[in-house]
Amino acid sequence: QKEVEQNSGPLSVPEGAIASLNCTYSDRGSQSFFWYRQYSGKSPELIMFIYSNGDKEDGRFTAQLNKASQYVSLLIRDSQPSDSATYLCAVNGAGGTSYGKLTFGQGTILTVHP
Amino acid sequence: DGGITQSPKYLFRKEGQNVTLSCEQNLNHDAMYWYRQDPGQGLRLIYYSQIVNDFQKGDIAEGYSVSREKKESFPLTVTSAQKNPTAFYLCASAPILVSETQYFGPGTRLLVL
Repeated sequence: QKEVEQNSGPLSVPEGAIASLNCTYSDRGSQSFFWYRQYSGKSPELIMFIYSNGDKEDGRFTAQLNKASQYVSLLIRDSQPSDSATYLCAVNGAGGTSYGKLTFGQGTILTVHP
Repeated sequence: DGGITQSPKYLFRKEGQNVTLSCEQNLNHDAMYWYRQDPGQGLRLIYYSQIVNDFQKGDIAEGYSVSREKKESFPLTVTSAQKNPTAFYLCASAPILVSETQYFGPGTRLLVL
């Protein structure tokens, strides 16, 4: 089982729709969860981080965390063509020698079509 | 401007040659990281350093070497022992005394001639 697994893509949604990106992780002790966006040929840029169970909203983006189910998701409301990118989920280690290390999922390609 | 710089943007390696990728940050971050990304793949950790003069192997350290002589700089050498070096190399830094959030440089694309 992969340590961090994202829903297989590519994901295609129409402009204005809600895009839902999902991520599961295996380390029950993980405490910090990150979503990055990566445009083709560019480096990842941070969208959001979440530490606590529940929802965290930032503009059109909402991160949802359920530690009991070891599940984190990213919702993009009112999707725009400019949201078309690869979205990477990253999870921290459970502390000790793993502190400061993130494990990345393989990414989900999102395409928003007009 | 605060940020992370990587150079060069593109690098070509000949067979048997060692090449060094530069990573500099002026964010005063304690931790720095090197990742490798292959097409359609996520990021795999090569090496990381949380303090000057100390660094740790990541998941795919074989064929690579690093140094951390200054807080601002974390160069990566791709040695001739790395048989499949063609990839996109990403450097990141994090203020780990405050947060584990990592911020990325623009990347270096390494190609083998």
